[in-house]
Amino acid sequence: TQLLEQSPQFLSIQEGENLTVYCNSSSVFSSLQWYRQEPGEGPVLLVTVVTGGEVKKLKRLTFQFGDARKDSSLHITAAQTGDTGLYLCAGINYGQNFVFGPGTRLSVLP
Amino acid sequence: NAGVTQTPKFQVLKTGQSMTLQCAQDMNHNSMYWYRQDPGMGLRLIYYSASEGTTDKGEVPNGYNVSRLNKREFSLRLESAAPSQTSVYFCASSEMDRTSYNEQFFGPGTRLTVL
Repeated sequence: TQLLEQSPQFLSIQEGENLTVYCNSSSVFSSLQWYRQEPGEGPVLLVTVVTGGEVKKLKRLTFQFGDARKDSSLHITAAQTGDTGLYLCAGINYGQNFVFGPGTRLSVLP
Repeated sequence: NAGVTQTPKFQVLKTGQSMTLQCAQDMNHNSMYWYRQDPGMGLRLIYYSASEGTTDKGEVPNGYNVSRLNKREFSLRLESAAPSQTSVYFCASSEMDRTSYNEQFFGPGTRLTVL
């Protein structure tokens, strides 16, 4: 069974601070996705990374896929209260099946 | 477009009762999924359907059955509900295309409590 771990589990920061959350596995994935989920709603895709070592930027969010395709990180610069939510990583294996991590719950305080 | 819709939004059942969760998508996607989400455990796949007429078990299929009624609709049935099935259930759809990156579109969820 492929497993994804995410750290930290919980993170509470002040508006304007920077943060990084991590997604790790012992398995290799063909690609990896990051989703954000707000209370009472389903997850929404933020980004897909497909190449080992790839870095993608989405405004204040920077996503990196590890060289070995086993891990990923999400860095948020100058966090805003609107960034509050549950951040989920999902690995896609070569059989096109999804494996979700348990998530990092981020609270950005004003 | 409504995307992925789920009914009901909330449900309370007694142990042993049965119910069906409904899901529909209007994006003409081939693949549909049912997940459950529990605190600290992320999303766990219950069943999925890669195309109309096919269904496969996911990580946690015990106690559930599914029906892919047509390309749009994918239902999840609990035949005899148990307290361990208290959870939030999400339906999702995607276009299972090996040249794309299979974004999953999720519904708003059904919050189920089994007493």
